[in-house]
Amino acid sequence: DAKTTQPPSMDCAEGRAANLPCNHSTISGNEYVYWYRQIHSQGPQYIIHGLKNNETNEMASLIITEDRKSSTLILPHATLRDTAVYYCILPFYGQNFVFGPGTRLSVLP
Amino acid sequence: GAVVSQHPSWVICKSGTSVKIECRSLDFQATTMFWYRQFPKQSLMLMATSNEGSKATYEQGVEKDKFLINHASLTLSTLTVTSAHPEDSSFYICSASRTGQPQHFGDGTRLSIL
Repeated sequence: DAKTTQPPSMDCAEGRAANLPCNHSTISGNEYVYWYRQIHSQGPQYIIHGLKNNETNEMASLIITEDRKSSTLILPHATLRDTAVYYCILPFYGQNFVFGPGTRLSVLP
Repeated sequence: GAVVSQHPSWVICKSGTSVKIECRSLDFQATTMFWYRQFPKQSLMLMATSNEGSKATYEQGVEKDKFLINHASLTLSTLTVTSAHPEDSSFYICSASRTGQPQHFGDGTRLSIL
């Protein structure tokens, strides 16, 4: 079983920020949180990952709570192309991914 | 960024034939490669993990004699579905990573067995 829980679906208006939450209450001190997304019929695309500090790259920002039990992926200005299933993942044994059902984000025009 | 190429992207074949899928890391040397399977409307399921030059580690319930994995170099891994049957029809996805780096995924192979 995946070590994370995410809402099954979310809607976001085009141009607005999309905030995708993830709970990982059993996270251990040296476990990273990874975020990927999968657009229909494609392989997952890496978005961002973090340990304890907030992270930002050209795709998104990752906000990790101080106790590290939850995180939020932020897409600052969602576009229709951001419609996808978003996965929050804590690896097993440092590298093995167990994908949960993820959050299906629908960006609406 | 890191690029992983998977080939073929789509294959249709008759029941009983064997199908080979290639996974290549194009711009980095991958210490580990992973194979996943995804059925319609389901999430990805890890099938096996392989390191270059050593035998793959299969997840529980995945038949190693059915799904042969070869990881001959730091840039190439292959998955052979032997004697494929209709129930093996699925979306097969590989990923590759270097030590301490995120996994990067190929675009998948859609396998249809008639």
